[in-house]
Amino acid sequence: IAGITQAPTSQILAAGRRMTLRCTQDMRHNAMYWYRQDLGLGLRLIHYSNTAGTTGKGEVPDGYSVSRANTDDFPLTLASAVPSQTSVYFCASSNTGELFFGEGSRLTVL
Amino acid sequence: AQSVAQPEDQVNVAEGNPLTVKCTYSVSGNPYLFWYVQYPNRGLQFLLKYITGDNLVKGSYGFEAEFNKSQTSFHLKKPSALVSDSALYFCAVRDSYYLSGTYKYIFGTGTRLKVLA
Repeated sequence: IAGITQAPTSQILAAGRRMTLRCTQDMRHNAMYWYRQDLGLGLRLIHYSNTAGTTGKGEVPDGYSVSRANTDDFPLTLASAVPSQTSVYFCASSNTGELFFGEGSRLTVL
Repeated sequence: AQSVAQPEDQVNVAEGNPLTVKCTYSVSGNPYLFWYVQYPNRGLQFLLKYITGDNLVKGSYGFEAEFNKSQTSFHLKKPSALVSDSALYFCAVRDSYYLSGTYKYIFGTGTRLKVLA
């Protein structure tokens, strides 16, 4: 089934640990995005990429990094997790029209 | 700056009654507007979009939305609500600025719809 796959679905992590959330799409979309969803705040853009090899910062990029080695994969890395990064993370892709979302990764940082 | 507002945190409606979920926007240029639905522990699913043309846009699951340029609104509607429509609904606008080779999307804070049997 075409779409976006995120992993892990859920993770509990100790503060200070490094964590990578994986995102893979099979729709050959150029643009990919990482959002975090927090109660009362809606979705906030962390990082984005318009094509393989390029990335850009969203509105809440601090503490996160991304890479885009190819069209399909767009991993999000927390170099040293902090409790404020407890959230649900969504990867999305687009070809300038609507966004297609993954099912999310629920991350808890203790 | 582009922005989206969903003034209601929650909307309650009886099953079979019409429903409206409100959205207003602020953009420069022509707006590209979207509605998404999120069921518990799931990702967001696309419902419908307005880019140009007819002000009444029809989408998935019997939903429709009315674009009103003078009121800068894009309210989501359904003639007859179902209990299964209970979910979190997000309005979004595509940023008209093409920065770094792609568009950004700005989301409202979401409205929880509860349809009562």
